[in-house]
Amino acid sequence: QVQLKESGPGLVQPSQTLSLTCTVSGFSLTSYNVHWVRQPPGKGLEWMGRMRYNGDTSYNSALKSRLSISRDTSKNQVFLKMNSLQTDDTGTYYCTRDRSRGVMDAWGQGASVTVSS
Amino acid sequence: DIQMTQSPSLLSASVGDRVTLNCKASQNIYKNLAWYQQKLGEAPKLLIYNANSLQTGIPSRFSGSGSGTDFTLTISSLQPEDVATYFCQQYYSGYTFGAGTKLELK
Repeated sequence: QVQLKESGPGLVQPSQTLSLTCTVSGFSLTSYNVHWVRQPPGKGLEWMGRMRYNGDTSYNSALKSRLSISRDTSKNQVFLKMNSLQTDDTGTYYCTRDRSRGVMDAWGQGASVTVSS
Repeated sequence: DIQMTQSPSLLSASVGDRVTLNCKASQNIYKNLAWYQQKLGEAPKLLIYNANSLQTGIPSRFSGSGSGTDFTLTISSLQPEDVATYFCQQYYSGYTFGAGTKLELK
């Protein structure tokens, strides 16, 4: 059974760094791409970045200067780090599995992040 | 960047109605389009990919059509459990989501 689960702090102070972990099961990170997608409260979905099966990464140009995605295949984990957080970074952060070419066929439950002092 | 525009933003319909949701791309994306359903408080769920392919386990009352710049998600007979927000997403060049259509019961 394919599963993804996000974990991380629910509260981050402005200007600080967000660190999230996506732990996957039921598939291999060396066979599938994993994306990070976020959703501000009551709003739509924004693609943040992608970890390819071969370890390559790509990022949303609007976030590229603040964002880093990495992985540990031995632990089945993908990591997101984003610095210089502001209040409009508040929202739910999802990791997703890419079945092929960008079709996201499995999603984690989401990690709620609030940026506030 | 490719922009995705969904219409309407809010749709009210009755149980049993045939419902049509629209998604327009700012440039030709061929059939590189997916539809997702997001119920309140839940993660999105994949319904349709490649514009018209039904994801495994999704009821057959859901269907997708279109190619190029104009796409449609159709629910043939609306059920109460279909109340949700629906998002389209292009994956032809990068990845972009539409703003969503909120579907409610009349």
